This record gives sequence, structure tokens and C-alpha cells, in this order.
Amino acid sequence: NAGVTQTPKFQVLKTGQSMTLQCAQDMNHNSMYWYRQDPGMGLRLIYYSASEGTTDKGEVPNGYNVSRLNKREFSLRLESAAPSQTSVYFCASGPSGQHYEQYFGPGTRLTVT
Amino acid sequence: LAKTTQPISMDSYEGQEVNITCSHNNIATNDYITWYQQFPSQGPRFIIQGYKTKVTNEVASLFIPADRKSSTLSLPRVSLSDTAVYYCLVGDGYGGYQKVTFGTGTKLQVIP
Repeated sequence: NAGVTQTPKFQVLKTGQSMTLQCAQDMNHNSMYWYRQDPGMGLRLIYYSASEGTTDKGEVPNGYNVSRLNKREFSLRLESAAPSQTSVYFCASGPSGQHYEQYFGPGTRLTVT
Repeated sequence: LAKTTQPISMDSYEGQEVNITCSHNNIATNDYITWYQQFPSQGPRFIIQGYKTKVTNEVASLFIPADRKSSTLSLPRVSLSDTAVYYCLVGDGYGGYQKVTFGTGTKLQVIP
């Protein structure tokens, strides 16, 4: 099992450009999550999807959109990147009803110049 | 949603047992306590979860007193590879989940 995979691993964008971060899991989990982590800080929840077909905002959703494409895949889109979105982005998945038991991907390091 | 307080950092020598305490005075009846470990440049890793008394797995033990207002993550005989940030989370995973953050955690430095 690959667990949770994320692409790309690194990305540099110019202000105003758009991009989509991809995430896939092979653990048959219903719930999936997107976090950002800024230097020296903890993780902050951007969006989550409790099950296929549903998405909900987390603590810091502004500037992002998500799509739960199917049970395996959950993508995060930046429509118009800003320097404040420079961060490391982590995707996670977890079993139903167990929001605190999550399995994380390796992360995407995004720099917006 | 229960607020948690844990030390910002700790140092320990290799081979020692390390105990990291998390305070959560307003823990609710349905809340569970969950700990994660994060190495530099990696995503957090789920370590252990418990509701009361003691839980043990191959990585760590979690001690929860009867009043559940605090919990202690115990790492036996740490090695240099246990150097990481450890996060304590408290909640039932429903309703207010979207407001959860991992906080800044406890940075454990293991010294040779």
C-alpha cells in the first residue's frame, strides 16, 4: 500500500497563477483533509471531506477550493496564488467517525513569488 | 472544543524514558485524546489514541488519570530518531472538528 500520495512534491508559482495539488489514498478511508503548515507553526485545517460528495471549510479556507473527485482522490486548488500561500501543504485521510486518526502524505512545498 | 496546553520543548538523553504531559482542563465526556509525531519535512504520524486509563502500543504508552484533565505520552528508552515534534489533540471528531488545529506541539530533542 502506498498510503497517501501527493503531487507535486515542490512547486514555485508567480503571484496570480493557479494550480491544483493532487492527493490520493489507497486505504479505503472515507474522510480526507487538507492542511497547511507554515514555518515553526502547527498545522491548520483548510478543508475536509467527511465522505465522498461532501466538503466542509476548515480554519483557513479563503483562497482555496477543493474537489472530492471520488473516494480515493481529494484535490486542492489555488485559483490566484498569493505570497501568503507559501507553505507546506499536507493531505491526510482517515476512517469514518475518527477525525483524529489521520494518515498524512509527504507534503507539497509551495513557494509563491 | 477542549483547549490543550503542552510544553514548547524538552530535551532528553538517549536511553531515557520521556514523558510529555498535555493539559486539557475542559475535556468533554465524549472527547478522545490523540497524539501525533512529526519529523522535519514529513507529515505527522498518528501515534496513539485513548479515552481513559492506559493505552499501550509498540511505539508509546498513553496515561490518562481518572479526571481526564491531563494526559501523558510516554516514550520508553528514546533514541536519536525520536527527535521530533509531538502534538496532543483532544476532541470527539464531530461538530467542532473544523476548528481544530494541531498547535505548535512539543519539540523533543534527544541528546546523545
